[in-house]
Amino acid sequence: EAQVTQNPRYLITVTGKKLTVTCSQNMNHEYMSWYRQDPGLGLRQIYYSMNVEVTDKGDVPEGYKVSRKEKRNFPLILESPSPNQTSLYFCASSPRQGGYGYTFGSGTRLTVV
Amino acid sequence: QKEVEQNSGPLSVPEGAIASLNCTYSDRVSQSFFWYRQYSGKSPELIMSIYSNGDKEDGRFTAQLNKASQYVSLLIRDSQPSDSATYLCAFSNDYKLSFGAGTTVTVRA
Repeated sequence: EAQVTQNPRYLITVTGKKLTVTCSQNMNHEYMSWYRQDPGLGLRQIYYSMNVEVTDKGDVPEGYKVSRKEKRNFPLILESPSPNQTSLYFCASSPRQGGYGYTFGSGTRLTVV
Repeated sequence: QKEVEQNSGPLSVPEGAIASLNCTYSDRVSQSFFWYRQYSGKSPELIMSIYSNGDKEDGRFTAQLNKASQYVSLLIRDSQPSDSATYLCAFSNDYKLSFGAGTTVTVRA
């Protein structure tokens, strides 16, 4: 089944404790992206990747890191999480940038206390 | 000005009626437009894409695009309780998909 897999689905952590949210797609998509979703603000792009080893900032990159060492994987790293990063996070992929709809993962609900 | 503005909700319609959702966007070079449906606690799901001016129909859904007016809409005909969800419009430029905040639709049985 074609899908984007995120883990974990739920995560509660403490301020400052590094964490990684994994994302993997099995559709051989070139383009991958991370979004966060907050009430009233909609989906905002954090980082995106156009291909292996090519990443760039989205609208809200502060406090996040990403890497794209393999085509299928695009982990999101929070090196020192803070409470304002409490949110619902989605990974998404697309065959190529622009002009294509995204396939979204199931989401990761992160709470930073 | 936000990149994407959707009509504020929530929108409540009776079963069998037409639900009308509107969206305006500010980026004139955008070429691709999408509607996503998101059930509570779930991820967005692509339901319509439209690339050229005019109407595009898919089952009970019709998307309308007017690039000159920078306007895209979604009509849901014969609304069903299963259509109760938040609908997100989005447009694509070269490097990202920008989303509106969403309109929540409730279909009353």
